[in-house]
Amino acid sequence: DTGVSQDPRHKITKRGQNVTFRCDPISEHNRLYWYRQTLGQGPEFLTYFQNEAQLEKSRLLSDRFSAERPKGSFSTLEIQRTEQGDSAMYLCASSLDSTVEFFGPGTRLTVL
Amino acid sequence: GESVGLHLPTLSVQEGDNSIINCAYSNSASDYFIWYKQESGKGPQFIIDIRSNMDKRQGQRVTVLLNKTVKHLSLQIAATQPGDSAVYFCAETGSNDYKLSFGAGTTVTVRA
Repeated sequence: DTGVSQDPRHKITKRGQNVTFRCDPISEHNRLYWYRQTLGQGPEFLTYFQNEAQLEKSRLLSDRFSAERPKGSFSTLEIQRTEQGDSAMYLCASSLDSTVEFFGPGTRLTVL
Repeated sequence: GESVGLHLPTLSVQEGDNSIINCAYSNSASDYFIWYKQESGKGPQFIIDIRSNMDKRQGQRVTVLLNKTVKHLSLQIAATQPGDSAVYFCAETGSNDYKLSFGAGTTVTVRA
């Protein structure tokens, strides 16, 4: 257990529905990251927060995706109007400045 | 774009033998490298890291070697155990200090 927690661990939804995932990073970590991982592939960077500021968003993050970290602690990732191609493992990681990123267990999303 | 990749998708090793997992990267600006281990259904777990000003770093039963001349990274696991069975990823931060780029991973299977 790295100390990064994610909720829910699994989510099954129907195409067109909205879903929201939560990440609680290690408490003193100021940086928080979201990655997406599809079967057999390495994680792909989605977005990055330093404290409450979202500093970079990947081209992978379409307009249907939004992430927030309102108080610089936990973060949420929302996907609107889900598509089958959104099915993946969504991973959250945190770090203290430029040190090692520690990953949470992930939220596995299945879009039917 | 530039990315990190692994030479072999699978590696089968006898319990007690040493394992060597290889990784090639193409971004000459890469400054920081991390090896992660990912077990089924879990998030990536940090194993060991190395900065570009080093060519070798040792941990408990693991050694990372970095050859910047040929842009090659390797992870050596001594006395491989059944618990080492997992997918191993190398990751690098490139020219920034936060966005990890992962390869596709090597699946290590330990034979009893």
